[in-house]
Amino acid sequence: DQQVKQNSPSLSVQEGRISILNCDYTNSMFDYFLWYKKYPAEGPTFLISISSIKDKNEDGRFTVFLNKSAKHLSLHIVPSQPGDSAVYFCAASVRTGGFKTIFGAGTRLFVKA
Amino acid sequence: DAGVIQSPRHEVTEMGQEVTLRCKPISGHNSLFWYRQTMMRGLELLIYFNNNVPIDDSGMPEDRFSAKMPNASFSTLKIQPSEPRDSAVYFCASSLMEGSGNTIYFGEGSWLTVV
Repeated sequence: DQQVKQNSPSLSVQEGRISILNCDYTNSMFDYFLWYKKYPAEGPTFLISISSIKDKNEDGRFTVFLNKSAKHLSLHIVPSQPGDSAVYFCAASVRTGGFKTIFGAGTRLFVKA
Repeated sequence: DAGVIQSPRHEVTEMGQEVTLRCKPISGHNSLFWYRQTMMRGLELLIYFNNNVPIDDSGMPEDRFSAKMPNASFSTLKIQPSEPRDSAVYFCASSLMEGSGNTIYFGEGSWLTVV
């Protein structure tokens, strides 16, 4: 049962344009959402997060939007740069004795120069 | 500060052999996670610990997999006997559980190939 879904395996964007990565979740108990970036042969690294009590969080070129009613979140990267080419994972956490954190399958972003 | 340290980085083993993956979390973190990355399923949560106690092991695929955390600075993931379908990258991660949420920090992964 995939509780966190990233339905687009890949996305290709021109340098300078906006990249929009989408994520859907099914468990309404999730209260914290995160995006991670992963380069080949490295571990995922934290990018940006958002609490369920907010609908937007911005950090430089990266903005995460949360729509709780639709159980949907998205990551906007603007402007996109070639160095942003990586796999992006969406994750969601629920407090159950610790924070159980579930990841989606990832979306590979290609930013073309 | 040292990040999450995993060993070995790469392991090639024959089917039926025992495999032990090791992890040292970030000092001071109280939660530890084991994930497996495959092409088909992305990052799967296998098990996680809080204060050295296993909280949820529902993601452990079968009885051949076991994980321990004898103290706050060390954890192991063991596969016995290993099978070719266990080939994947295994990530250990740690976090400091706080009120509003947690940020997980990953190690560089252990690349396992079972032939």
